[in-house]
Amino acid sequence: QSVLTQPPSTSGTPGQRVTISCSGSSSNIGSNSVSWYQQLPGTAPKLLIYTNNQRPSGVPDRFSGSKSGTSASLAISGLQSEDEADYYCAAWDDSLNGPVFGGGTKLT
Amino acid sequence: QLQLQESGPGLVKPSETLSLTCTVSGGSITSKNYYWGWIRQPPGKGLEFIGSIYYSGNTYFNPSLKSRVTISVDTSKNKFSLNLRSVTAADTAVYYCARQRATRDSYFDPWGHGTLVTVSS
Repeated sequence: QSVLTQPPSTSGTPGQRVTISCSGSSSNIGSNSVSWYQQLPGTAPKLLIYTNNQRPSGVPDRFSGSKSGTSASLAISGLQSEDEADYYCAAWDDSLNGPVFGGGTKLT
Repeated sequence: QLQLQESGPGLVKPSETLSLTCTVSGGSITSKNYYWGWIRQPPGKGLEFIGSIYYSGNTYFNPSLKSRVTISVDTSKNKFSLNLRSVTAADTAVYYCARQRATRDSYFDPWGHGTLVTVSS
């Protein structure tokens, strides 16, 4: 059971906008920044969003992150077939004194 | 461009010690403000943080694994290593190393390609 809760799966059609939620608590998302990772099939995770809503260079602006209270969301607009992947959220947890991950969401 | 590469045995027997090394290239492991971490992913499952180390040797671990984990750093070789003792089949996973921002605004970037370690007799 992951500390951060994500829906196991979601789906969309090309061009559509989809959102993936990440629910936590006051000890993690409620008091620390959230990051998001994209894991394409058979590859290592790649940083997609850091500090709640910042994109590393090279990440398309179709990807955006937000945080409110103890929850965070990743939005993908203009969905493309190459976006089919697993997406993970993460945040520092003050109680565990370390980073924790969500269980991942498979985007089809 | 910073790159990380995991190396080590792909097969470990139950009750033995899993040992992996992560070689850092394109940058220094003594960079301030960054820890160096290990994360694993069992087949078909999600990501699990194992532990991280600062170049000074300061470490912190996932509480669920802390009793079995040692992480060390060799700044002269720009490498850091993971030892996981008394492994069982549940430790079978792809093991990743990654650079971790050393603050509570924590994130992992970049990641190594990962190495599959199977625990089996």
